[in-house]
Amino acid sequence: EAGVVQSPRYKIIEKKQPVAFWCNPISGHNTLYWYLQNLGQGPELLIRYENEEAVDDSQLPKDRFSAERLKGVDSTLKIQPAELGDSAVYLCASSRAGGDTEAFFGQGTRLTVV
Amino acid sequence: ELKVEQNPLFLSMQEGKNYTIYCNYSTTSDRLYWYRQDPGKSLESLFVLLSNGAVKQEGRLMASLDTKARLSTLHITAAVHDLSATYFCALATGGFKTIFGAGTRLFVKA
Repeated sequence: EAGVVQSPRYKIIEKKQPVAFWCNPISGHNTLYWYLQNLGQGPELLIRYENEEAVDDSQLPKDRFSAERLKGVDSTLKIQPAELGDSAVYLCASSRAGGDTEAFFGQGTRLTVV
Repeated sequence: ELKVEQNPLFLSMQEGKNYTIYCNYSTTSDRLYWYRQDPGKSLESLFVLLSNGAVKQEGRLMASLDTKARLSTLHITAAVHDLSATYFCALATGGFKTIFGAGTRLFVKA
């Protein structure tokens, strides 16, 4: 069974430029998460989807971040414009249903904003 | 404020030794996860602890949960170099939020 797939693995952009990350969850997993992981810290939730509905986006900085999961499968996370402080690893995870089941993580996208 | 605190944050130990990583949390929950992360890699699920008194073991790692004390432990027995990684505990709350600790960086010296 394929795991959670993210792309790209690495991205370097100049500040004020836009950037997008893509995630394909495990087949059959209804719940999808985007996490932000700063160096030396644990992941922090940005947004959680149940199918195509964003059920928890309270930690998403909505002035510059946006996300979508149009058909309840793949998801994209966008930053526009990027700031230096956005440099981090962006992790996507999925689970079968709700928040009370085990989440499986992708390898992440390491973003560097210069 | 919901907090998940791990200690120690950094642990260097000799092969063959035993040690325990602690995870304290500030709200009631009976579902706690332990993950492993190797450098540059994703998080790998190790244990899911579902209820008070739960104990799970896999190889040299054993995890336990005490919901009354709001404490989970990850015990390492006879450490080997391959266990070197960062270990995270994560707490699932009633609102389906999962809050991660800061992680414990474990280095096992040969």
